[in-house]
Amino acid sequence: QVHLVQSGAEVKKPGSLVRVSCTASGDTFNSYVISWVRQAPGQGLEWMGGIIPISGITKYAQRFQDRVTITADKSTRTAYMNLNSLTSEDTAVYYCARQLPNALTWFDPWGQGTLVTVSS
Amino acid sequence: DIQMTQSPSTLSASVGDRVRITCRASQSISRWLAWYQQKPGKAPRLLIYKASTLESGVPSRFSGSGSGTEFTLTISSLQPDDVATYYCQQYNSYPYTFGQGTKLEIK
Repeated sequence: QVHLVQSGAEVKKPGSLVRVSCTASGDTFNSYVISWVRQAPGQGLEWMGGIIPISGITKYAQRFQDRVTITADKSTRTAYMNLNSLTSEDTAVYYCARQLPNALTWFDPWGQGTLVTVSS
Repeated sequence: DIQMTQSPSTLSASVGDRVRITCRASQSISRWLAWYQQKPGKAPRLLIYKASTLESGVPSRFSGSGSGTEFTLTISSLQPDDVATYYCQQYNSYPYTFGQGTKLEIK
């Protein structure tokens, strides 16, 4: 059974970059998809993009295309989400979640979430 | 992008009630729909996928139905532990999109 553990909370200045990590344990990592979903305070869920670690192939939501980079390190079973040019509107909890290898599937399981606060 | 619309936004029901939450897609998504439960301060939890397949470990009082553009999540007998916000999600096409959520409360 796979378990996803994310890095801790971050406080960032506007215009800066944040990096959030997601480490998998307990199951095959490389051939699945790891996606990132964010949730602004009191708001709903928004998919940002995903990666297939074994190939490095990525897919991004168009609205984040210019600002997000998702990478993966197979040796450490860790996926990373970089988001740059931060504004206050990027304040949110960021989740990683696994998807089955054929990509267009549901999200399960989810990491515990990482709160990113953007404030001057 | 496919827009997902849930109704109602808030639902208040009594313990033991049968509860239904509806999710509508802006275009046909066949049966490529999942339901999640999210409790305050926690990550979402998968309940149902392929519109009606119950995830392992999820109580049998939860069920899903529908296809095309209209879907329903039903809780057959509401329990206090079911207080949460529920989201639908389509995985028919990119970008994946979610409903805005339905907050379920106990009367």
